[in-house]
Amino acid sequence: AQTVTQSQPEMSVQEAETVTLSCTYDTSESDYYLFWYKQPPSRQMILVIRQEAYKQQNATENRFSVNFQKAAKSFSLKISDSQLGDAAMYFCAYRYGAAGTASKLTFGTGTRLQVTL
Amino acid sequence: DTAVSQTPKYLVTQMGNDKSIKCEQNLGHDTMYWYKQDSKKFLKIMFSYNNKELIINETVPNRFSPKSPDKAHLNLHINSLELGDSAVYFCASSLGVYNEQFFGPGTRLTVL
Repeated sequence: AQTVTQSQPEMSVQEAETVTLSCTYDTSESDYYLFWYKQPPSRQMILVIRQEAYKQQNATENRFSVNFQKAAKSFSLKISDSQLGDAAMYFCAYRYGAAGTASKLTFGTGTRLQVTL
Repeated sequence: DTAVSQTPKYLVTQMGNDKSIKCEQNLGHDTMYWYKQDSKKFLKIMFSYNNKELIINETVPNRFSPKSPDKAHLNLHINSLELGDSAVYFCASSLGVYNEQFFGPGTRLTVL
């Protein structure tokens, strides 16, 4: 079974600084997708960034980028120029690439990010 | 212009009661999901429907029964509620099984 591990329950970063959230996963599959979701206090789950396993290039969305190391099964999220609005729970998630149960997202336990002035 | 909506947003009820949570999406998606987020914020899939067919049914007590009357709706009915059912339940939808899942705002269920 696939598992996703986030070893940092809480992280803190100063406004305008950079922070990296860690995620590792375990799978025997070669075709899969990885995601970072943000959950602010409003509870809404918001997709931050996604990475297809077959792509070697790391995904980037504005201030958010990932470091995808397929061999090491590592998928970290870097947030640059942190803003107060980035404060939230961040969840790493895995999804298998084929049909059927592929649509299931497997989540890590989350990292709570605090942003300080 | 709500994409994925859930009703109610909050539900407080007594042990032993039966309750339903409704989910609707207006995105034209054909795949819908129910996830449960427990008190430690851990999120886990419960069910998924594709074109009204059940495609994922995780190890969930049979007191939980999903119903998909059409592709835009996926309801969750829970019988004989227990204290351990207290959680936030999220509905999500996607176009096909490969694409991004859009989440609803969640329903916080509290069982007293």
